[in-house]
Amino acid sequence: NAGVTQTPKFQVLKTGQSMTLQCAQDMNHEYMSWYRQDPGMGLRLIHYSVGAGITDQGEVPNGYNVSRSTTEDFPLRLLSAAPSQTSVYFCASSPQGAQPQHFGDGTRLSIL
Amino acid sequence: KQEVTQIPAALSVPEGENLVLNCSFTDSAIYNLQWFRQDPGKGLTSLLLIQSSQREQTSGRLNASLDKSSGRSTLYIAASQPGDSATYLCAVSGVRNYQLIWGAGTKLIIKP
Repeated sequence: NAGVTQTPKFQVLKTGQSMTLQCAQDMNHEYMSWYRQDPGMGLRLIHYSVGAGITDQGEVPNGYNVSRSTTEDFPLRLLSAAPSQTSVYFCASSPQGAQPQHFGDGTRLSIL
Repeated sequence: KQEVTQIPAALSVPEGENLVLNCSFTDSAIYNLQWFRQDPGKGLTSLLLIQSSQREQTSGRLNASLDKSSGRSTLYIAASQPGDSATYLCAVSGVRNYQLIWGAGTKLIIKP
């Protein structure tokens, strides 16, 4: 009963490096989303997808890319890491957009 | 633009007390409101979801109410236990695209 799996759990990058945060779910959910959580703030939506092949921008999409080639996977790419992207990143999925979301345990990312 | 506020930011109470957590939102045009729990170093767990047409939802010792006209929701926890210690977040879903707008959370500590 894996649910939503995020890898890696921790990562340290240097400014300008690129990397991909992985997210996979085994519940056959159509809706998947990426959030970032910063101290003292609520979660903010980065990108979301309503199904394979369909993605859209959320509140804070700049500096991030996503793709959704399968129902199960929704990777988040940082093209050129910046210190402002230091945060905890959460992936979530749900059967439909308005239904309760299932969250992964998060990726803690530090950009030096 | 929808804004969600949770007050207080932190709360510490003795075990056994009944307590209320507050969530307010600025735009009453919501699809639903959700309460989540977040444990340290973990993802978020959905607790209760209230549709915009509902007034309250109950799950065990938890009761969430919604007053859409005044832009307020409360999460009532009965007979609090040390295991209830966590951060509680509320989020509202918009009527156009179901994207969740989040409060910053209330960190709850239940003292044995």
